[in-house]
Amino acid sequence: AQSVTQLGSHVSVSEGALVLLRCNYSSSVPPYLFWYVQYPNQGLQLLLKYTTGATLVKGINGFEAEFKKSETSFHLTKPSAHMSDAAEYFCAVSYFGNEKLTFGTGTRLTIIP
Amino acid sequence: GAGVSQSPSNKVTEKGKDVELRCDPISGHTALYWYRQRLGQGLEFLIYFQGNSAPDKSGLPSDRFSAERTGESVSTLTIQRTQQEDSAVYLCASIPSRVVTEAFFGQGTRLTVV
Repeated sequence: AQSVTQLGSHVSVSEGALVLLRCNYSSSVPPYLFWYVQYPNQGLQLLLKYTTGATLVKGINGFEAEFKKSETSFHLTKPSAHMSDAAEYFCAVSYFGNEKLTFGTGTRLTIIP
Repeated sequence: GAGVSQSPSNKVTEKGKDVELRCDPISGHTALYWYRQRLGQGLEFLIYFQGNSAPDKSGLPSDRFSAERTGESVSTLTIQRTQQEDSAVYLCASIPSRVVTEAFFGQGTRLTVV
């Protein structure tokens, strides 16, 4: 069964500091990987995705993530945090031929002024 | 439509009553998912549809929960004899094709059982 693990249910960083949110997946086949963001009282919005091709993917709002097969990871980063980045972030996985989209438990990002 | 539409946006119901939640996916999207999000928690998979068939219903918590979909259109999630633990935001997502490359989410229905 496919699964994804997000390390750290809460992460706090200072404004201007590096943001690193961790995601690891379990798979024996190539995955499709996604990061979604949920701002307070809003729906989920796609930040970025990896399906095939370049392993470093760039998304909206300055976020990027790198697919590392050897580490089964897809960590989300942003060089400099902004107050508006405060939100809940979800990693998700699916596979070609497996239509079920499975989400991690989420990481709440807090930005310290 | 321009996006995934869910109705109602908020629903308060008395314990023991039945509720019906509706999702209008993006036109032409073949797959549709339902998730539940309890306060402060992650997304809990409930069921997904490919067309009007449901290949995976494994996430439905109990036989009080059921869902149906008409063709590649509207889906309804029905909860019978609601309980307080059913209080949550119910999210619907639609996906363009059989291969999941991006899910488009609605704003959700906030269900409160009192």
